[in-house]
Amino acid sequence: KNEVEQSPQNLTAQEGEFITINCSYSVGISALHWLQQHPGGGIVSLFMLSSGKKKHGRLIATINIQEKHSSLHITASHPRDSAVYICAVRSNYQLIWGAGTKLIIKP
Amino acid sequence: EPEVTQTPSHQVTQMGQEVILRCVPISNHLYFYWYRQILGQKVEFLVSFYNNEISEKSEIFDDQFSVERPDGSNFTLKIRSTKLEDSAMYFCASSGQGSAEAFFGQGTRLTVV
Repeated sequence: KNEVEQSPQNLTAQEGEFITINCSYSVGISALHWLQQHPGGGIVSLFMLSSGKKKHGRLIATINIQEKHSSLHITASHPRDSAVYICAVRSNYQLIWGAGTKLIIKP
Repeated sequence: EPEVTQTPSHQVTQMGQEVILRCVPISNHLYFYWYRQILGQKVEFLVSFYNNEISEKSEIFDDQFSVERPDGSNFTLKIRSTKLEDSAMYFCASSGQGSAEAFFGQGTRLTVV
């Protein structure tokens, strides 16, 4: 069983739609990261959170420690948001990565 | 804005050859990491490094792999005798503290032929 599960695996939506990507984990963590990976492969950290909610621009990340679940929301989605979004949890010194959600936003 | 830089961006090597992947972490960071991503698969942890020693490593990080911080600025990953299955994107990351947000380099794509 994967320690970090993301859903959906793939998501295609129209520009302007509200997007939700989910992450569940089964291990004890000190923090959870949401990252973005573009087609060229580069990884950008979006959020690191250990409780509650964080917002940056059109991106919102929430985490429920008791339920071991986190969500990443994108409001007013735009084609430039198209990327792979990855949830990774920090356990000891390492990050355990989810498989990613491939998001395509159509104009 | 400070960033993690990796060189080269792409390296092609023959099976059995040694490769060294280089990373320059953010200057005041103390924790350094290597991850890899085989094409089409998820990112996997290789090793973390703090205070000039390995703090944690995965099963992937066997005797063929080594890391070094030779001069206080570079952080290198060496693969002694490359195998075809070492072909992957290798990401370096650094953080100010072990629990802090990690910043990633753009990756080195290693192709073993």
